[in-house]
Amino acid sequence: GQQLNQSPQSMFIQEGEDVSMNCTSSSIFNTWLWYKQDPGEGPVLLIALYKAGELTSNGRLTAQFGITRKDSFLNISASIPSDVGIYFCAGQPLETSGSRLTFGEGTQLTVNP
Amino acid sequence: DGGITQSPKYLFRKEGQNVTLSCEQNLNHDAMYWYRQDPGQGLRLIYYSQIVNDFQKGDIAEGYSVSREKKESFPLTVTSAQKNPTAFYLCASSSGRLVNIQYFGAGTRLSVL
Repeated sequence: GQQLNQSPQSMFIQEGEDVSMNCTSSSIFNTWLWYKQDPGEGPVLLIALYKAGELTSNGRLTAQFGITRKDSFLNISASIPSDVGIYFCAGQPLETSGSRLTFGEGTQLTVNP
Repeated sequence: DGGITQSPKYLFRKEGQNVTLSCEQNLNHDAMYWYRQDPGQGLRLIYYSQIVNDFQKGDIAEGYSVSREKKESFPLTVTSAQKNPTAFYLCASSSGRLVNIQYFGAGTRLSVL
């Protein structure tokens, strides 16, 4: 299947720091989604983006749909210990029919108190 | 509560045994999906179904089988042909319409005895 390049693979930060992660693709996407997965649980949707250039916030989280439609960014401000988990980007390529999503490999976030 | 229920949370399989993982949703979603997640890795699509009585293979369907006899249910059978079944299995559903946001269950962890 198609691949999304998500980076970084892992991050180790101090509580209070800001975090940035991104996903890139060689194809144009018409939807970008960001999920968070806690250990032993299923991913939970954080933010959904539908238009190029769109910037959407959810509390301390902000995500952007890249202008080229081939990338997306997620920022977390003032991190706290409960931000620990795996963050996944996902998207629907423009040329894909049906309902499949393409997922990134995930960014493992560790927050030190 | 509306949502996706996976059961059991933990499952053990003996050599040569078939096991079935349950996934039920009460979101009235048309589409349902099964993913496999290995430690430190992203989500790989096993099978998906966009409508009752129809399903398609994903990227790693070998050794697995599914059925979609009811809109609410999409069970996954891990057959004895799957030689490396130990993984975390996630079920998801979506409305299947233009904006494809997938919602996940809490997962089933399958181990081999």
